[in-house]
Parts: sequence; C-alpha cells; structure tokens
Amino acid sequence: QKEVEQNSGPLSVPEGAIASLNCTYSDRGSQSFFWYRQYSGKSPELIMSIYSNGDKEDGRFTAQLNKASQYVSLLIRDSQPSDSATYLCAVTGFNKFYFGSGTKLNVKP
Amino acid sequence: GAGVSQSPSNKVTEKGKDVELRCDPISGHTALYWYRQSLGQGLEFLIYFQGNSAPDKSGLPSDRFSAERTGGSVSTLTIQRTQQEDSAVYLCASSPDRTTEAFFGQGTRLTVV
Repeated sequence: QKEVEQNSGPLSVPEGAIASLNCTYSDRGSQSFFWYRQYSGKSPELIMSIYSNGDKEDGRFTAQLNKASQYVSLLIRDSQPSDSATYLCAVTGFNKFYFGSGTKLNVKP
Repeated sequence: GAGVSQSPSNKVTEKGKDVELRCDPISGHTALYWYRQSLGQGLEFLIYFQGNSAPDKSGLPSDRFSAERTGGSVSTLTIQRTQQEDSAVYLCASSPDRTTEAFFGQGTRLTVV
C-alpha cells in the first residue's frame, strides 16, 4: 500500500466549474498535509497547507482534512484554464514528505 | 537568494561519467530533500537531511548515488558511473523542519547519452 494515494486522472472540468481533487493516506500519525501544483516541465509549487481537521480556504482554493477517514481534498472554485496542471498531495511522516503520484487536471475553456 | 537554488539547470553527460548536482536551500531551513522525477512520473524520494542528524538514505537507488550536506546548508548529490536510466529531473526541496512546508528548487534536468 502506498503512503499517499491519488487518482491519476485526467480530471476534466469546464471553465467556471468546481474541480474536486482527493487524496488518502495510510499513516494515522501524519501531522501535516499539503497540496502542490506542478505545471508541465516545472517544479512543484506549494498552494495549500492544512494541519487540523476541517476546511481551510485561500482564494479560490479550499483544502479539507478528515483525519479520522485519513482523507484530504482540494476544491478549486471557478476553475480556469490556467489551473490545468498536475496536483500533488503530500503528507509528512517520520522522516520525509510522502507524495502522491498526482492528479492531472484539465480545465476546458 | 530567497528561494531554493539548484545548479546546473541542465546537464548532459556521457554514460559512465560522474556528475555532481548542487542544491542551495533557503537560509535557515534545517530540512533538505532530494527527489527524482522521470518523464511523466511522480516524485521519487532519494534522501533527506535534517539538521545534524544522520541522513535518511533509504531512497537512494544504488550505491552509485551519494549525497552530502556541508555545514547544514548546501547539499551535493553525486551520481557515479552514470547510466541512461539516471536521466531525469532531480529536484531539491527545503523546509524549516520536517513537519512544515517544503519549497522546491527549479530542478536539474540530467540527460545521460
């Protein structure tokens, strides 16, 4: 079992819609949770961090954490074509960041 | 600089040669990670440094790979006797500690011909 699981996609949504990206993790002791965005040919860029259960909003992005279900999600409201990228979920474990393999998001104009 | 700096940005080397990749983390960050990303693939963990503790080398794929971090700051990843399968983007990230956000450098694209 991988430490962090994500659906590889691609997830296709029309411009203006809500994109919902999901992630599950295996280590109940994980403390910190992150979403990174990676454009093709570029390095990952941190877009959200969340440390406690519930929702955290930042502009069009909302991260949701449910530690009991070991589940993290990212909602992107009013999706734009510029949001098209691969989104990586990351979870901190004892010694390292565990990254999911990423979900590719396509936002269609 | 303000961010994580990696050099070189691109490196083309002949099979069998040794290469050194450099990472200069954000000042004050005690945690430093190396990852490898092959084309179209996810991030593959290589090695993790935290302060003065012994590094976690569990992700290094073979004994041809080694890394060091001098003075708790700059890190160098060395690949000896490069093989074509070593071709990938090598990414370095640093973090204030092991539980907070990690920030990535721009990566080094290594091509072994």
